[in-house]
Amino acid sequence: AQSVTQPDIHITVSEGASLELRCNYSYGATPYLFWYVQSPGQGLQLLLKYFSGDTLVQGIKGFEAEFKRSQSSFNLRKPSVHWSDAAEYFCAVGGGGFGNEKLTFGTGTRLTIIP
Amino acid sequence: EAGVAQSPRYKIIEKRQSVAFWCNPISGHATLYWYQQILGQGPKLLIQFQNNGVVDDSQLPKDRFSAERLKGVDSTLKIQPAKLEDSAVYLCASSRAGGQADTQYFGPGTRLTVL
Repeated sequence: AQSVTQPDIHITVSEGASLELRCNYSYGATPYLFWYVQSPGQGLQLLLKYFSGDTLVQGIKGFEAEFKRSQSSFNLRKPSVHWSDAAEYFCAVGGGGFGNEKLTFGTGTRLTIIP
Repeated sequence: EAGVAQSPRYKIIEKRQSVAFWCNPISGHATLYWYQQILGQGPKLLIQFQNNGVVDDSQLPKDRFSAERLKGVDSTLKIQPAKLEDSAVYLCASSRAGGQADTQYFGPGTRLTVL
């Protein structure tokens, strides 16, 4: 069965500092990987996704993520965070074939930004 | 385009009562998903519809939860009777065709508290 591990429950970074959120997945074949962001009281918004090809994926809001098959990881990065980036971040893995695209989410990482 | 709409945004009920949630997906989206997000966890898929047919309901507690999507557009999720452990945010999402390449767009969710 597919699974996702986000080892960091809560991360605090200073505004302007770089950010890396960790994600490790378990999936039998080539995974489809996603990062979503959830602001308080809001639904989830897709930041970026990986299906195939270039292992470095660019997303919205200046985020990027790198797929590393050998490490079963899909870490999210941003070179310089802004106060508006404070939110909950979820990594997800999908699969199962056409018509059964169940996403399995990690437990999330809460990001706090300090001035 | 308008996003995924959900109502109500908040609901408080006592255990053993019944409750219903409503979702209106993005216009033209064939696939609709209901997720349950318990505090401190990532969203968990409850049921997935393709038009008005069920694709996956393997994680839906069918003894108390039911969902329908009449005419392949709006959907309702019902809980009867509710238990304390049903306290969660219920998220609705939709995607254009349901393929693995499709992005799922999430609504703001309904926060259910069962007392």
